[in-house]
Amino acid sequence: EDQVTQSPEALRLQEGESSSLNCSYTVSGLRGLFWYRQDPGKGPEFLFTLYSAGEEKEKERLKATLTKKESFLHITAPKPEDSATYLCAVPFSSGSARQLTFGSGTQLTVLP
Amino acid sequence: EAQVTQNPRYLITVTGKKLTVTCSQNMNHEYMSWYRQDPGLGLRQIYYSMNVEVTDKGDVPEGYKVSRKEKRNFPLILESPSPNQTSLYFCASSSRLDRGRDTGELFFGEGSRLTVL
Repeated sequence: EDQVTQSPEALRLQEGESSSLNCSYTVSGLRGLFWYRQDPGKGPEFLFTLYSAGEEKEKERLKATLTKKESFLHITAPKPEDSATYLCAVPFSSGSARQLTFGSGTQLTVLP
Repeated sequence: EAQVTQNPRYLITVTGKKLTVTCSQNMNHEYMSWYRQDPGLGLRQIYYSMNVEVTDKGDVPEGYKVSRKEKRNFPLILESPSPNQTSLYFCASSSRLDRGRDTGELFFGEGSRLTVL
């Protein structure tokens, strides 16, 4: 069964305190791993796609990396505006690659 | 502006009273999908549509119906709502594969918060 597990569930950081969020997955024949950001009361917003182990993507203070079993979202010198819930998702191993299984998310709070 | 529009954004209804949540996208996307989001359970797919007149069940389709008569619209129908359908609902859309690979880029609406009493 396809599974996506994110940890920690919640993370509080001081502004400037770097950290990493984890997304571990079990799926046959990974066709990509996707990261989204969700602000309170809003729909998720796409951040990155990673296709193969060793791949990295960066956007401002965020860097996503991928291994054969997990992905990390590294946050360098975060700011309060980085506070959000971060979701990772993988396509179902069967069916369309756009049918995504989402993790439960990591709620990040960055304190000024 | 490219967007996915859902209506209503908030709704309180009673058990058994049929309701429809509309979803419209202006990006000419083939793929559309409905998710519900519940605390501790994350986003779960209800139904999806690969194109006009093509729909299929997701993880939690019980109690829901959908139709795709036009490319831009994908309404979610609750024929007889029950309290366990109280949730935050999201519609999402996506374009075709990019150079043979799926980017995973779903465009989400702002969400519809439904309460069934």
